[in-house]
Amino acid sequence: GEDVEQSLFLSVREGDSSVINCTYTDSSSTYLYWYKQEPGAGLQLLTYIFSNMDMKQDQRLTVLLNKKDKHLSLRIADTQTGDSAIYFCAETASGGYNKLIFGAGTRLAVHP
Amino acid sequence: AAGVIQSPRHLIKEKRETATLKCYPIPRHDTVYWYQQGPGQDPQFLISFYEKMQSDKGSIPDRFSAQQFSDYHSELNMSSLELGDSALYFCASSPNQISGNTIYFGEGSWLTVV
Repeated sequence: GEDVEQSLFLSVREGDSSVINCTYTDSSSTYLYWYKQEPGAGLQLLTYIFSNMDMKQDQRLTVLLNKKDKHLSLRIADTQTGDSAIYFCAETASGGYNKLIFGAGTRLAVHP
Repeated sequence: AAGVIQSPRHLIKEKRETATLKCYPIPRHDTVYWYQQGPGQDPQFLISFYEKMQSDKGSIPDRFSAQQFSDYHSELNMSSLELGDSALYFCASSPNQISGNTIYFGEGSWLTVV
């Protein structure tokens, strides 16, 4: 079945780059997503990548996709305290519909 | 830009009571999804609707039901509430159900069952 795995915690210093990693199992996933959730808040779509792409950049965010290894990463450049949140990786489940399978989320802590 | 609107934002119910959550998708989005996020958990897919018809079903208990109305808003009805139903319930919408359309989430409805 489909499964998405992420490391649970990441701590970085303000100004450094953060790299959040994710592995997925469904090779038929066509889109992979990154969502951000701040405490007590909803899910904010950060970015997404189509499976035939290797990289996507959007301002401070860079998404890298290694389809062979089913590995996805999100790099946040110049990490700020406002980036502290839980980051969820998600893949579209097989079947052609837009059902998302989420990872457990990575809690990013940014310290001075 | 208009986002997905959910109501109520917070709801407290007693065990065995019934709760109804409402979701208003982004204009011109005809697909609605419901997710449940337990404390410290990742969101779990419950059910989705496309053009007012159920399109997919996930781990939704039999005590729960949902529908999408002619104006595309959706309601999630939860009956015989249990303590374990306490969670954050998200609604999301997309332009259609085809894989790849970006999915936007609402702020969620917090349900506490006491």
